[in-house]
Amino acid sequence: GDSVTQMEGPVTLSEEAFLTINCTYTATGYPSLFWYVQYPGEGLQLLLKATKADDKGSNKGFEATYRKETTSFHLEKGSVQVSDSAVYFCALSSPGGATNKLIFGTGTLLAVQP
Amino acid sequence: DGGITQSPKYLFRKEGQNVTLSCEQNLNHDAMYWYRQDPGQGLRLIYYSQIVNDFQKGDIAEGYSVSREKKESFPLTVTSAQKNPTAFYLCASSTAVLNSPLHFGNGTRLTVT
Repeated sequence: GDSVTQMEGPVTLSEEAFLTINCTYTATGYPSLFWYVQYPGEGLQLLLKATKADDKGSNKGFEATYRKETTSFHLEKGSVQVSDSAVYFCALSSPGGATNKLIFGTGTLLAVQP
Repeated sequence: DGGITQSPKYLFRKEGQNVTLSCEQNLNHDAMYWYRQDPGQGLRLIYYSQIVNDFQKGDIAEGYSVSREKKESFPLTVTSAQKNPTAFYLCASSTAVLNSPLHFGNGTRLTVT
């Protein structure tokens, strides 16, 4: 079945460091891909999305490019801040589906130190 | 402000008791979802509903039940048949447009002892 694999955390960085969180997927066809962020004690918020190959999603300095050839959707940010500390989830929406239900990865905890 | 409200934030129950988690949205969304979050396992889909009076099982529906009598409300009942009910439960909603984002509530943490 369809699935998402994320790099295990925690990822610990100093402020202003470069961030990469790896995400790969398995799906038949062409899924839509998403990154969600969860701050402590809260629900998830959409960070960015891409709906077709080579699309780049971006928001708040974060970027991710839909790479069909490597079935990847890695999250990057050039300079992280303490306020970026959160859990990041990669997710996919099954291709050909008639709903918006998502399949999530296990999440990656990011801790940014001042 | 529009959003999703889950209540209560923390819930404690004794083993063998059924418990109902509330989820209300005022976003006028057609679709609603229940996910369960466990450490190291990400989010897993319990049930979802695309329209009033209709719902479908997700990947881990055993031991849970739902109803969708109103567009705004999608309560989840955790029954005594659920073997490991202690978890963080998240409710979400979306429009019917494909690839529209899910809007999540702030979750209910259920502890069963």
